[in-house]
Amino acid sequence: NAGVTQTPKFRILKIGQSMTLQCTQDMNHNYMYWYRQDPGMGLKLIYYSVGAGITDKGEVPNGYNVSRSTTEDFPLRLELAAPSQTSVYFCASRPGQGAPSVFGPGTRLTVL
Amino acid sequence: AQSVTQLDSQVPVFEEAPVELRCNYSSSVSVYLFWYVQYPNQGLQLLLKYLSGSTLVKGINGFEAEFNKSQTSFHLRKPSVHISDTAEYFCAVSLYSGGGADGLTFGKGTHLIIQP
Repeated sequence: NAGVTQTPKFRILKIGQSMTLQCTQDMNHNYMYWYRQDPGMGLKLIYYSVGAGITDKGEVPNGYNVSRSTTEDFPLRLELAAPSQTSVYFCASRPGQGAPSVFGPGTRLTVL
Repeated sequence: AQSVTQLDSQVPVFEEAPVELRCNYSSSVSVYLFWYVQYPNQGLQLLLKYLSGSTLVKGINGFEAEFNKSQTSFHLRKPSVHISDTAEYFCAVSLYSGGGADGLTFGKGTHLIIQP
């Protein structure tokens, strides 16, 4: 099992550009999550999904969109990049209630 | 809403000394509790979890944590640290709710610095 994979590892965007962060898991987990990590702030939940076709907002959803067309994939879309979106983004998945989340290696995004 | 407080942003410890990283949480409902470790430029790795049962839980790399319901705490301990334990440690909770889909609420992290 590869676990949770994320691409790209690094990306620099200009203000106003758009991009999609990819996330794939091969563990057949129903629940998937996107977090952002800012220095000294821990991780904050952006969006989550409980299964294909079902997504919901987390604590900091503004400026992002998600979709979940398959169990395996959960891409995160930034439509109009802003400097405030400079962060490290982590995708995670878990099989169900109480189970620990498995995290991907992260995507480091810089918006200039 | 739930919240997690990690009381120390940075903890310096000499090698082979014991360490305790403190975590307190606030929630109106029952929660599951987790400790994760993040090594430099890597993702998060699960150290240990408390779901129910014995309040003392053991994890990987010699770490353990004790759940104290009355004090709403879940402190992480290790009796003897090594240079390789230098990392960021995160305490996190998720709600013990019917749906179970809620994400994790994290503390701000504690940077453990091991000094030779």
